[in-house]
Amino acid sequence: AAGVIQSPRHLIKEKRETATLKCYPIPRHDTVYWYQQGPGQDPQFLISFYEKMQSDKGSIPDRFSAQQFSDYHSELNMSSLELGDSALYFCASSIRTPNTEAFFGQGTRLTVV
Amino acid sequence: AQSVTQLDSQVPVFEEAPVELRCNYSSSVSVYLFWYVQYPNQGLQLLLKYLSGSTLVESINGFEAEFNKSQTSFHLRKPSVHISDTAEYFCAVSDPPITGGGNKLTFGTGTQLKVEL
Repeated sequence: AAGVIQSPRHLIKEKRETATLKCYPIPRHDTVYWYQQGPGQDPQFLISFYEKMQSDKGSIPDRFSAQQFSDYHSELNMSSLELGDSALYFCASSIRTPNTEAFFGQGTRLTVV
Repeated sequence: AQSVTQLDSQVPVFEEAPVELRCNYSSSVSVYLFWYVQYPNQGLQLLLKYLSGSTLVESINGFEAEFNKSQTSFHLRKPSVHISDTAEYFCAVSDPPITGGGNKLTFGTGTQLKVEL
């Protein structure tokens, strides 16, 4: 069965650079979520989209932005990267109705040096 | 606001012994409850979920969890663990679906289950 695809799986960037993470949800899923998991931490909700519109916002820094495109894939753009942005970034997708669970991708490990 | 508490950061246990990973939540509304498992350098995999109905839910690999509304708990149990169960386990909560979109998950801080021979 198709799963949530995230790319790239690994990314190394220098401080102050920009990174773009991509997420391709499961086919027919209309909702996408982004989470950030720092080293040894629990995943923290960043932002979600439903039908290409932002549906909820969590602890996402102003330096980050995201959007969902017409084909439902989503991109998380991160600018002015800081060392503290090093983390595992997960994307998850779900169907609005019935919205019973989110399926997670394998994550993108971002390392800022 | 919702919150999830996993009191045990690490649980060492011998193979074939029983285990219980504790999870308590705080919410003013009815919730959906989940357990996710994360193996090293891997994504989050859904282990089991409680949405409604029977308070005891089971996974295909022998884990079970019981929703206790009065104690606001959703503890995870397995009667006999295997080496391959070694992983990080996260309890999570979300609001039931609302019109217009999905709902975010609030995770606990995780419990590292280490199964030893």
